[in-house]
Amino acid sequence: DTGVSQNPRHKITKRGQNVTFRCDPISEHNRLYWYRQTLGQGPEFLTYFQNEAQLEKSRLLSDRFSAERPKGSFSTLEIQRTEQGDSAMYLCASSPGGGELFFGEGSRLTVL
Amino acid sequence: EDQVTQSPEALRLQEGESSSLNCSYTVSGLRGLFWYRQDPGKGPEFLFTLYSAGEEKEKERLKATLTKKESFLHITAPKPEDSATYLCAVTDSWGKLQFGAGTQVVVTP
Repeated sequence: DTGVSQNPRHKITKRGQNVTFRCDPISEHNRLYWYRQTLGQGPEFLTYFQNEAQLEKSRLLSDRFSAERPKGSFSTLEIQRTEQGDSAMYLCASSPGGGELFFGEGSRLTVL
Repeated sequence: EDQVTQSPEALRLQEGESSSLNCSYTVSGLRGLFWYRQDPGKGPEFLFTLYSAGEEKEKERLKATLTKKESFLHITAPKPEDSATYLCAVTDSWGKLQFGAGTQVVVTP
């Protein structure tokens, strides 16, 4: 399968713990995006990278959230000191540029 | 700030009953408008990009159109497998996409 891959698919954690999600984009795509989606809402932009450079971060992204894309390949999204409000689906997408985003299956986070 | 509003929030159709979904947007300098389909528990699946007013795109039973203020997704003679949430998104810079909340479509046999 050459699509966008996200791991883990589902993570259950206790409030205050740290979690990390990984995204492997489509190999020839230089842009990588992170979105968050809650039930009944559309995806909300969090951040995006062009190669290894983080080009934009949403105001939604508090300092508990950090994203990296070392060497312009896979990306990680870490959430520190999780809160119940962080419970959501975290979606990764990649793009060759030009607008169309290709999404992975998402990583669902449940904070107890 | 860019805004995307989709209506209706939910739509229940009988198989074969054609209908349209609406996406109205406010963005300074639209570069592209996108339609995605999302099945429960899955990531959005790309359907169409529209670039300028008057443009139309078709795929199977779906047809997307664009005006200066809104886009329509027409579903012709839908089948149960067309049941999904349809998301609209816009961009003004080929960077991030701004999504609407989606229209949940249920097609019953």
